[in-house]
Amino acid sequence: GESVGLHLPTLSVQEGDNSIINCAYSNSASDYFIWYKQESGKGPQFIIDIRSNMDKRQGQRVTVLLNKTVKHLSLQIAATQPGDSAVYFCAENKGAGSYQLTFGKGTKLSVIP
Amino acid sequence: GAGVSQSPSNKVTEKGKDVELRCDPISGHTALYWYRQSLGQGLEFLIYFQGNSAPDKSGLPSDRFSAERTGGSVSTLTIQRTQQEDSAVYLCASSFSRREQYFGPGTRLTVT
Repeated sequence: GESVGLHLPTLSVQEGDNSIINCAYSNSASDYFIWYKQESGKGPQFIIDIRSNMDKRQGQRVTVLLNKTVKHLSLQIAATQPGDSAVYFCAENKGAGSYQLTFGKGTKLSVIP
Repeated sequence: GAGVSQSPSNKVTEKGKDVELRCDPISGHTALYWYRQSLGQGLEFLIYFQGNSAPDKSGLPSDRFSAERTGGSVSTLTIQRTQQEDSAVYLCASSFSRREQYFGPGTRLTVT
């Protein structure tokens, strides 16, 4: 099976509310984790990443939290907008120095206007 | 600047035929990756290039799949004797470092 997975395949959120997308991983050797956004018909787009020696990182309207104790990763989107509707993937690399990423199956976020 | 481009955007082929998928990475990106995405699934790593060399080709599903990169730029993914299970979107990405990979729009392959 995949080492990276998601708890919820779909998530519907009211516009303006905050969204939280969760992800579990199993590779303790991963040294960074990444969130990607994929809109219909397009390739994935990098959102934010976090190194394994961090537990929180903030970007513009997004925050990624890493809990290494329970091997859990989450993406928080503040004030969700219709343009945030997409499929979100978490990914982890295989280990220090590795260029290979393992992706989860994705969570589809739908924003209700 | 120009992003990663892939061609063709769509390809329909008959079972048993060979196909070639092309990727033009962002200029200056030394790393290039191929992934496969089946309907409703995540991305499956196929192969990674650093320059013209492929230090990691562990994801290629069978010996029907091969890839090359020339001039540290364009890459071609070749699938021989295509099977219906090869139907998927093939995504190419490039990067300057290990972290942020820039993806192309993908090639949708349909094997009939």
